[in-house]
Amino acid sequence: GNSVTQMEGPVTLSEEAFLTINCTYTATGYPSLFWYVQYPGEGLQLLLKATKADDKGSNKGFEATYRKETTSFHLEKGSVQVSDSAVYFCALSENFQFYFGTGTSLTVIP
Amino acid sequence: DSGVTQTPKHLITATGQRVTLRCSPRSGDLSVYWYQQSLDQGLQFLIQYYNGEERAKGNILERFSAQQFPDLHSELNLSSLELGDSALYFCASSAEYNEQFFGPGTRLTVL
Repeated sequence: GNSVTQMEGPVTLSEEAFLTINCTYTATGYPSLFWYVQYPGEGLQLLLKATKADDKGSNKGFEATYRKETTSFHLEKGSVQVSDSAVYFCALSENFQFYFGTGTSLTVIP
Repeated sequence: DSGVTQTPKHLITATGQRVTLRCSPRSGDLSVYWYQQSLDQGLQFLIQYYNGEERAKGNILERFSAQQFPDLHSELNLSSLELGDSALYFCASSAEYNEQFFGPGTRLTVL
């Protein structure tokens, strides 16, 4: 069956550090892949997406590339800010269903 | 603002009671999804409706039920509430099964 596995947190980084949050998936076909972000006290917001292999999604300095050969969709940002502190969820969509990872909490300290 | 609305924002009730959570999807979105988010179990998919019909079911308890009405709003009914049902309940809507937009959530506290 379909599933998403993402790096466990919590992750604590200093401002301007490089961020990677790993995400791998299992799917039977050709899913779309997403990263969602949840700021404290809020709902999930779509951060970026990729709909086919080798696509790169990007938004607000975050990037992730759909790698079919390694079934991965790792989230990266070159220089994090305090305002990036949030919980990040990797997700896939296939056949009308969505599957979410367990979420990775990121705290950025000044 | 995602365009998805949920009411109420907070709900406090007692064990054994029944509550109804309401969700209005973004204009034009036919799909509605319900999720439960708790500290120990993360984000759990409960159920999906598409244009009034149940489309997919996740880890939804038999004490829970949902429906989607002709105007596309949806309600999640939780009955015989237990302490462990305390959680955030999110609704999301989608137009083409390719991207979900989440509401702000309803925080349920069962005392």
